Amino acid sequence: NAGVTQTPKFQVLKTGQSMTLQCAQDMNHEYMSWYRQDPGMGLRLIHYSVGAGITDQGEVPNGYNVSRSTTEDFPLRLLSAAPSQTSVYFCASSYSPYNSPLHFGNGTRLTVT
Amino acid sequence: AQTVTQSQPEMSVQEAETVTLSCTYDTSESDYYLFWYKQPPSRQMILVIRQEAYKQQNATENRFSVNFQKAAKSFSLKISDSQLGDAAMYFCAYKEGRDDKIIFGKGTRLHILP
Repeated sequence: NAGVTQTPKFQVLKTGQSMTLQCAQDMNHEYMSWYRQDPGMGLRLIHYSVGAGITDQGEVPNGYNVSRSTTEDFPLRLLSAAPSQTSVYFCASSYSPYNSPLHFGNGTRLTVT
Repeated sequence: AQTVTQSQPEMSVQEAETVTLSCTYDTSESDYYLFWYKQPPSRQMILVIRQEAYKQQNATENRFSVNFQKAAKSFSLKISDSQLGDAAMYFCAYKEGRDDKIIFGKGTRLHILP
């Protein structure tokens, strides 16, 4: 049972480049979310989804797009990377958004130069 | 908007001693959930304990327990008999019952002194 799988683990981009961070879960979780972690800032919610075809913005959505075409996958797209997007990104899922605990992926460390 | 405040950026405790990490939150709701997550150097996020606001009894998980003070909007984590493996960043998190967003505090880095 793989849980939540994030790829890649590390990525370096140049300013203006685009890329997609992949997230997949095999637990049939309805709820999925993306966080970024920055020193001294904790985890901040970027986007989340309560089911296939449904997405919504979190605390810091600017510069990021998401889609949820299947229950399993929730990719995060950076259309034009900026140095301010240098961070560690975590994908998380849960059975429901209510009192179910979040299952986290192992994170992607992204550096934008 | 709801906020979660962890006022202690770093703490240290002697091995085998007890330590309490503080967390306060701001909400006008009565239905919500609170969580503590641990992030060791491996970067993996691990659920430590959770508390439903409607439950008066404080949650416990082995050496980990919480002091949930609903009126004071306080949710502290007590770690008893601290072990070297407890060294990590600890995050407090809040989720409103009707909302889908889970909001995290900025974290407290816990050092265990041998």
